[in-house]
Amino acid sequence: AQSVAQPEDQVNVAEGNPLTVKCTYSVSGNPYLFWYVQYPNRGLQFLLKYITGDNLVKGSYGFEAEFNKSQTSFHLKKPSALVSDSALYFCAVFAYNNNDMRFGAGTRLTVKP
Amino acid sequence: EAQVTQNPRYLITVTGKKLTVTCSQNMNHEYMSWYRQDPGLGLRQIYYSMNVEVTDKGDVPEGYKVSRKEKRNFPLILESPSPNQTSLYFCASSLLGREGYNEQFFGPGTRLTVL
Repeated sequence: AQSVAQPEDQVNVAEGNPLTVKCTYSVSGNPYLFWYVQYPNRGLQFLLKYITGDNLVKGSYGFEAEFNKSQTSFHLKKPSALVSDSALYFCAVFAYNNNDMRFGAGTRLTVKP
Repeated sequence: EAQVTQNPRYLITVTGKKLTVTCSQNMNHEYMSWYRQDPGLGLRQIYYSMNVEVTDKGDVPEGYKVSRKEKRNFPLILESPSPNQTSLYFCASSLLGREGYNEQFFGPGTRLTVL
């Protein structure tokens, strides 16, 4: 079965600095990879996805993610963090051969002014 | 407005009292899914449905039932709730597009407490 690991429970960055939220995955076959964000007392919102094509994927709110097949990683990045980016971020992988969706445990991003 | 709705948003109940959490989407999505969110564990899939009358177990199906009689609705049923089912529950839906699986739209969540 596939799995997702987000090795950092918490990431702290200063406003204006670049941010990275890490994600590694394990799946048989080609992965469908996603990033979602959860603001307090809200459901998850889609940020971006990788299905096929360019390894660098651009998404909502200035976020992007880089798919690295050899390292089985899909790290989320943003060149300049905003205080409003503070939220809980989830990486997810979908295995099309068994319709199974797995989420990571989440990384809490805090951007300080 | 395209959305996924869940009801109730908050529920406190007692062990063994059957309950249903409703989920409805207005986007004509084929795929619907239920998740539970627990601290440190992220989201875990309970059940999913590829279309009407097609449901399958996810990662943690024990103690839950679902049905998909209509495309828009996907209720979650707890026949005999227990305290370990205290959690935050999310319903989600998505298209099954030509590229395969598409991004999910999530409901606002249902916070369930079983005493």
